[in-house]
Amino acid sequence: DAGITQSPRHKVTETGTPVTLRCHQTENHRYMYWYRQDPGHGLRLIHYSYGVKDTDKGEVSDGYSVSRSKTEDFLLTLESATSSQTSVYFCAISEWGRSPLHFGNGTRLTVT
Amino acid sequence: AQTVTQSQPEMSVQEAETVTLSCTYDTSENNYYLFWYKQPPSRQMILVIRQEAYKQQNATENRFSVNFQKAAKSFSLKISDSQLGDTAMYFCAFMKRLQGAQKLVFGQGTRLTINP
Repeated sequence: DAGITQSPRHKVTETGTPVTLRCHQTENHRYMYWYRQDPGHGLRLIHYSYGVKDTDKGEVSDGYSVSRSKTEDFLLTLESATSSQTSVYFCAISEWGRSPLHFGNGTRLTVT
Repeated sequence: AQTVTQSQPEMSVQEAETVTLSCTYDTSENNYYLFWYKQPPSRQMILVIRQEAYKQQNATENRFSVNFQKAAKSFSLKISDSQLGDTAMYFCAFMKRLQGAQKLVFGQGTRLTINP
């Protein structure tokens, strides 16, 4: 398995609180991604990174921000969590432009 | 805009049977990549198979093979001699070019159950 660790694995938080999810990789891959998975939607891209401090928005980026200060770490922050952000969040990495994405084990986030 | 459609929300077959999962996509690109991912109850996303659009030969990986019809924009997955461990959600995905990177656009998924 690709060396990808997501933390925490599960989290329950209250509406309005900030939340940060962490993705850590040991593969030294350039590209990192955050997806969310919801029933009926498959996986949808939130943000992605193509290098240290190089990030851009995906299709469902509202309410989320990211940071990548080191190659190995990609953080996803929910500034003020809402119930609509209850989801399973996946981090993925890829080595070069068209190589397959390899996914972490996901974080289940529940916003009450 | 690229879209990926999986028209079968659920499928169920008996162990050892062959099953085909459908996927269609829409794109104006000529060179692209397509993937099938498997998600078992453990929630892990596992790459099953990959197809490069410029290759005419259909990809195969052991019991998994694809039927890639570029003109029809169809990319179906065939699982031969199905096993109980094949029970999972299966996602078809199209790789789309982004600024500085590529991204996967996923279909809605097909829940496959293999019955003993």
